[in-house]
Amino acid sequence: EVQVVESGGGLVQPGGSLRLSCAASGFTFSSYWMTWVRQAPGKGLEWVANIKDDGSEKYYVDSVTGRFTISRDNAKNSLYLEMNSLRAEDTAVYYCARGGAPRGREDYWGQGTLVTVSS
Amino acid sequence: DIQMTQSPSSLSASVGDRVTITCRASQSISNYLNWYQLKPGKAPRLLIYAASSLQSGVPSRFSGSGSGTDFTLTISSLQPEDFATYYCQQSYRTPWTFGQGTKVEIK
Repeated sequence: EVQVVESGGGLVQPGGSLRLSCAASGFTFSSYWMTWVRQAPGKGLEWVANIKDDGSEKYYVDSVTGRFTISRDNAKNSLYLEMNSLRAEDTAVYYCARGGAPRGREDYWGQGTLVTVSS
Repeated sequence: DIQMTQSPSSLSASVGDRVTITCRASQSISNYLNWYQLKPGKAPRLLIYAASSLQSGVPSRFSGSGSGTDFTLTISSLQPEDFATYYCQQSYRTPWTFGQGTKVEIK
């Protein structure tokens, strides 16, 4: 069974940092692009970043470029999102999803982890 | 960025109704259009990919159509478990962008 499980969310002060993790199982992790998508309270979905299966390509939404870094460890079947210089507007549920290749789709999602940026 | 506009933003319908949601892209995206279902506290679910392909395990009452800039998601006979929020997404060009969502509520 394909599973992706996010962790690492929590309360952080503005300007602070947080690292999200996503543990994948039930599929050959190293063969898939992976993606982070977020949903702010009361808002819609926003694509955040994705990474190619071998980590050689990464893409970001403009609002996080230079502050967030997506990475992966194929030996550990894990995806990460390093978030720095956090702002109140980064408050959201962050979802990890399998897929996200150009012209593709995200076919399996986790239940998300909540990040709250507040003083 | 490619803007995705869904309509309506919300709708009320009864079990058994036929429901149609539309999604318009600000430029042509060929058929690189996906549809997702969201329920509170649950993992988002892929319903339709490449505009009209049904994801494995998704009931056949869900269907998608369109190409270029105009797309539709149709639920042929609404079931109780279908009350949720639906999003379209383009994967034609980065950043991948979503519509604002359509909330389907019980009438």
